Amino acid sequence: QQKVQQSPESLTVSEGAMASLNCTFSDGTSDNFRWYRQHSGKGLEVLVSIFSDGEKEEGRFTAHLNRASLHVSLHIREPQPSDSAVYLCAMSTDTGYQNFYFGKGTSLTVIP
Amino acid sequence: GGIITQTPKFLIGQEGQKLTLKCQQNFNHDTMYWYRQDSGKGLRLIYYSITENDLQKGDLSEGYDASREKKSSFSLTVTSAQKNEMAVFLCASSRDNQDTQYFGPGTRLLVL
Repeated sequence: QQKVQQSPESLTVSEGAMASLNCTFSDGTSDNFRWYRQHSGKGLEVLVSIFSDGEKEEGRFTAHLNRASLHVSLHIREPQPSDSAVYLCAMSTDTGYQNFYFGKGTSLTVIP
Repeated sequence: GGIITQTPKFLIGQEGQKLTLKCQQNFNHDTMYWYRQDSGKGLRLIYYSITENDLQKGDLSEGYDASREKKSSFSLTVTSAQKNEMAVFLCASSRDNQDTQYFGPGTRLLVL
């Protein structure tokens, strides 16, 4: 069973409009969540790490975590065409060395 | 800053062949990881290593060997490549078990 589910699979927004991506997870004991971005043909770039319920902002990227509802989201403020990429949610339940589980990704397209 | 280098960038092999992928990092990070990324399946952890000469199996270790002979490098061997196999192998490193993982650009594998 997939531990991390992402939605939507793909999303198209206009430049400047807020983009919201969602991630649900199956394990309520998770304590370590990351959002990554992957541009086509490139490696992963970390955007936001969040460890407790609430909000964490890194520049234009804000993650919201609600462990009770098994949900973490990413909001991108004023998205630009250069933000077009695949966004991956990852979570870890290890208290020791990190064994992260990744979602399949949301493909975001930002149109000018 | 630092960088993670993966070689080769593209790898084409024959069925049954043993193939080795290499990863180097100059962050001086202790922990290194190998992930496999398949279309529609997200990232899955193959092996990780918490220090030189250490190896820990991930969820997808069967069919692979790994080697961490130096702190800065982590190799992955596909022991017997499967025909029609196509995937991207991503290497990552992190300072310790609480820190963010930084990813390399990937090695794209195709088995004919």
